Amino acid sequence: SQKIEQNSEALNIQEGKTATLTCNYTNYSPAYLQWYRQDPGRGPVFLLLIRENEKEKRKERLKVTFDTTLKQSLFHITASQPADSATYLCALDHPQGGYNKLIFGAGTRLAVHP
Amino acid sequence: NAGVTQTPKFQVLKTGQSMTLQCAQDMNHEYMSWYRQDPGMGLRLIHYSVGAGITDQGEVPNGYNVSRSTTEDFPLRLLSAAPSQTSVYFCASSSHSSTEAFFGQGTRLTVV
Repeated sequence: SQKIEQNSEALNIQEGKTATLTCNYTNYSPAYLQWYRQDPGRGPVFLLLIRENEKEKRKERLKVTFDTTLKQSLFHITASQPADSATYLCALDHPQGGYNKLIFGAGTRLAVHP
Repeated sequence: NAGVTQTPKFQVLKTGQSMTLQCAQDMNHEYMSWYRQDPGMGLRLIHYSVGAGITDQGEVPNGYNVSRSTTEDFPLRLLSAAPSQTSVYFCASSSHSSTEAFFGQGTRLTVV
């Protein structure tokens, strides 16, 4: 079965620095990979989607890369701010039984310190 | 624009009780799903539906039932609650499994 690994340890960085979060997956190569942000007590919120034929995707201060050879996606936040502190989840669509399922990694908590 | 609405937000059940968690979306999405989130485990897929009348099991389906009689609604039923089902439950919808998913605010369930 598909396995998604995200660093379970919290990432602590200084305001203004670039935060880099990693998402690794095994067994299956998804056609799409997504990143979400989750704040405490709230549901996840979609940030970015990247397709397998796209190496990189950007949205404002966010950048996502997708390396299908390494089976890895990197999520970057440049010029980080304390408001970026949250848990970040990666997700991918996984086919099983004729339908695709959207499955998630456990998430990495990011703390940006002033 | 309501998006995805879950009710209730909080619930305490006794072991063996049954209940239904409600989920409704107003975006005409075909794909809906239920996840549970436990500390350190991330979001785990319970059941999902690719359209009215079509449901399938996710990673952790035992102890839960679903049905999809309309595009808008996707209720999750706990037939006989167990303490192991204490968790935060999220409902999500999207136009497809590989497109942006919209989540509800979650239901915090405690089984004592």
